[in-house]
Amino acid sequence: AQSVTQLGSHVSVSEGALVLLRCNYSSSVPPYLFWYVQYPNQGLQLLLKYTSAATLVKGINGFEAEFKKSETSFHLTKPSAHMRDAAEYFCAVSEVNRDDKIIFGKGTRLHILP
Amino acid sequence: NAGVTQTPKFRILKIGQSMTLQCTQDMNHNYMYWYRQDPGMGLKLIYYSVGAGITDKGEVPNGYNVSRSTTEDFPLRLELAAPSQTSVYFCASSYSTGGITEAFFGQGTRLTVV
Repeated sequence: AQSVTQLGSHVSVSEGALVLLRCNYSSSVPPYLFWYVQYPNQGLQLLLKYTSAATLVKGINGFEAEFKKSETSFHLTKPSAHMRDAAEYFCAVSEVNRDDKIIFGKGTRLHILP
Repeated sequence: NAGVTQTPKFRILKIGQSMTLQCTQDMNHNYMYWYRQDPGMGLKLIYYSVGAGITDKGEVPNGYNVSRSTTEDFPLRLELAAPSQTSVYFCASSYSTGGITEAFFGQGTRLTVV
């Protein structure tokens, strides 16, 4: 069964600094991978997704993630943090051509320091 | 553009009461999901459905029931509410033809059991 591990339940970065949120996955078949963002009291919004095309995926709001099969990782990065990036971020996995249920990690809350 | 609509947004239940959380989507998606979100625990999959008439258990199905009589609707039933079911519930939908699109989420239902 697929699973996702997000390292760090809280991450703090200064405004303008690099954002790096870590995600490792476990899957017995090729995965689809997703990053979602959740702003306070809202639902989840898709940031980006990997679906077996390019390994470097660009998303909304300047975020990108790189799929590394050898490391079973799908880390999320942004070169320069903005105050508006403060939110909770979820990594998720689905197994291609399986029952397609989507399994989420526990989330990482990103804090932006002025 | 309604997307995924959940009702109610907030509800307080007494222990032992029952209720149904409603979810409807207008995107003709075949897959629908129910998740619960607890602080620091990410999203846990309760039930999911791959199409009308088909449902399956997720990670935490105990205490819940679902049905999928139409493509659009996927209600979640709590029969005997318990304090452990205090949570935020999210409904989501996606489209799959052997590899899913991303999941689209509703705004959530905040349920408190007292």
